[in-house]
Amino acid sequence: GAVVSQHPSRVICKSGTSVKIECRSLDFQATTMFWYRQFPKQSLMLMATSNEGSKATYEQGVEKDKFLINHASLTLSTLTVTSAHPEDSSFYICSADGTGGDTQYFGPGTRLTVL
Amino acid sequence: GQQLNQSPQSMFIQEGEDVSMNCTSSSIFNTWLWYKQDPGEGPVLLIALYKAGELTSNGRLTAQFGITRKDSFLNISASIPSDVGIYFCAGEPTGGTSYGKLTFGQGTILTVHP
Repeated sequence: GAVVSQHPSRVICKSGTSVKIECRSLDFQATTMFWYRQFPKQSLMLMATSNEGSKATYEQGVEKDKFLINHASLTLSTLTVTSAHPEDSSFYICSADGTGGDTQYFGPGTRLTVL
Repeated sequence: GQQLNQSPQSMFIQEGEDVSMNCTSSSIFNTWLWYKQDPGEGPVLLIALYKAGELTSNGRLTAQFGITRKDSFLNISASIPSDVGIYFCAGEPTGGTSYGKLTFGQGTILTVHP
C-alpha cells in the first residue's frame, strides 16, 4: 500500500514551453500532497503544499505564477512549470500524506531538462 | 526556518560492518522519518517515529526518536552492497503553519565495499 506515481519520469523541453507533471496516489486518498525540487547532490526542498479543493500554499521564494499547482481530486495533483528556462532543470518529486497524515510517501520523481 | 543537521555527510564501509547516522535540530519535532533514496528515484520510507524515546526496527535497521524530540539516529547492522544510497532524515515540526510539512536533513551518502 501507499504507492505514489509520477508521470512523466523524464521530460526534455525547449526554453519557453510549459510542462505538466502528474502525481497520483494509487491506493489511498491524499487530502494533501507536496511538491519538492532536488538539485544534484542536494537535499529535497519543499516548493508547495497542495490541498485538494483549495489553493496551494507556496514556500518563500517559489513563484506561484510559474509553478502552477492543481489538486482537483483526492488522488491527483499536477504541477505545471510555465515558460520553463534552463535554470528550472531539476528533479521534481511529489509526496502524499498517508493515512492519519503523519507520514509522507514519495513518488519516483520527474527529471526535467530544459534546453 | 528550522534546520536539521545530519551527519556524517558520507560513509565508506566494508560489507558486514554496522552503520550509524544521526540528525539533530534546534527545534522540537513531532515526527521523525528516515528515508533512503537511490539515484534517479524518489525517497523510500524506511522507518517512521512518532513518540519521544520510541525505538523502532525494520529488519537490519533501527531508529530512535530522541527523548528531547530534537534528535534521531538510524543504525544499519551487517551492511550489504544494496544498502548503498543516500539516507535522509526528515522531521515534521510542531503545529502552526508548518503542520504536515517535512524538513529534510542534508543526507548521508553510504558506500559499501564488497
